[in-house]
Amino acid sequence: DVKVTQSSRYLVKRTGEKVFLECVQDMDHENMFWYRQDPGLGLRLIYFSYDVKMKEKGDIPEGYSVSREKKERFSLILESASTNQTSMYLCASSLWSTGATNTEAFFGQGTRLTVV
Amino acid sequence: GQNIDQPTEMTATEGAIVQINCTYQTSGFNGLFWYQQHAGEAPTFLSYNVLDGLEEKGRFSSFLSRSKGYSYLLLKELQMKDSASYLCAVRDYSSGGSYIPTFGRGTSLIVHP
Repeated sequence: DVKVTQSSRYLVKRTGEKVFLECVQDMDHENMFWYRQDPGLGLRLIYFSYDVKMKEKGDIPEGYSVSREKKERFSLILESASTNQTSMYLCASSLWSTGATNTEAFFGQGTRLTVV
Repeated sequence: GQNIDQPTEMTATEGAIVQINCTYQTSGFNGLFWYQQHAGEAPTFLSYNVLDGLEEKGRFSSFLSRSKGYSYLLLKELQMKDSASYLCAVRDYSSGGSYIPTFGRGTSLIVHP
């Protein structure tokens, strides 16, 4: 079974704190993604990575950074947490391929972050 | 950029058939996914279409028309456990040459007895 594991299910942090969200996958996937999910807005892409040390900005990268030092691990960093970053954060991974059918994303269980 | 549109909410009766539509506009289409997400859980993969036509998987089918920028997910013989959010996602080329799935806002399906 493909497994994508996020380090925390629930997290409460204070405004201004530096926050690390960790994600690990065990399927040797090239692609890894960080999304946030908010009611009425759906899943929005923050950052993604297609290889070690490679990253690209998604639709809403402001206030976030990422790190991918190893293929299996993709970290999301909130440099200075703010209340508008309270959200559900979902990590996902997938194979990198131009046309194979088994390129769906596999998601972690999510981290519900509350910034107070 | 992309624009993906799907209805916010639908209701249906147990045992019935429901069709959830998704329309999209994209510059570099490379496939469309449907995911199911139960409340409080992670999305799970249902289907993938890259060519026009219907893909059938048990009670679930997904259809794609690339020329119309249109897809639908068809759920037959609805069960109470099908109450969930259904997410349409379009895979597109990023500026860096990678393939990124972009999600619609999801359709919340409520199945009642």
